[in-house]
Amino acid sequence: QQQVKQSPQSLIVQKGGISIINCAYENTAFDYFPWYQQFPGKGPALLIAIRPDVSEKKEGRFTISFNKSAKQFSLHIMDSQPGDSATYFCAAPPSGTYKYIFGTGTRLKVLA
Amino acid sequence: NAGVTQTPKFQVLKTGQSMTLQCAQDMNHEYMSWYRQDPGMGLRLIHYSVGAGITDQGEVPNGYNVSRSTTEDFPLRLLSAAPSQTSVYFCASSYSVDRTEAFFGQGTRLTVV
Repeated sequence: QQQVKQSPQSLIVQKGGISIINCAYENTAFDYFPWYQQFPGKGPALLIAIRPDVSEKKEGRFTISFNKSAKQFSLHIMDSQPGDSATYFCAAPPSGTYKYIFGTGTRLKVLA
Repeated sequence: NAGVTQTPKFQVLKTGQSMTLQCAQDMNHEYMSWYRQDPGMGLRLIHYSVGAGITDQGEVPNGYNVSRSTTEDFPLRLLSAAPSQTSVYFCASSYSVDRTEAFFGQGTRLTVV
């Protein structure tokens, strides 16, 4: 079973700090690596995504770093805010399938 | 646009009962999928569809059936509910399985007693 491994499972950061969440995949035929954000009681929503023709993409305080040779990509949240407290998921469809598989999620809490 | 609409939002079932969770999207998306979310387990894929008339199993398909008679609708059927199916269920849709954003419904919280 192809897997998408996400770490850490939970993360506590002080306001203004940097939050880093990592995602490792086995194989994928697709070239789209997203991070989704989910608030309690809501469905996940796309936060930021990257295509592997670049190694980094930045949108405001959120940055994706991509390492194709290591099959890893990470989410960096700069100047973390209490409003960033949520669960974050990465996703990577395994090669040879149409299954859109998510990581197990990272629960982020930013302390005020 | 309504996006992805799931009904009901909450449901309590007795063990052995059957029910259908409804999912509809108005974005003309080809790819639709169902996930269940349990604490510490993330989002696990139950079934998915790459277009009308085409469905396939995900990671945890046992005890669930799906059909896709139209592009818009993708209902999930619980055949004989079990306490292990207590979970939050999400429906999602996207233009395709790759390279595009997945849009999620608000979820259905199901409790099986």
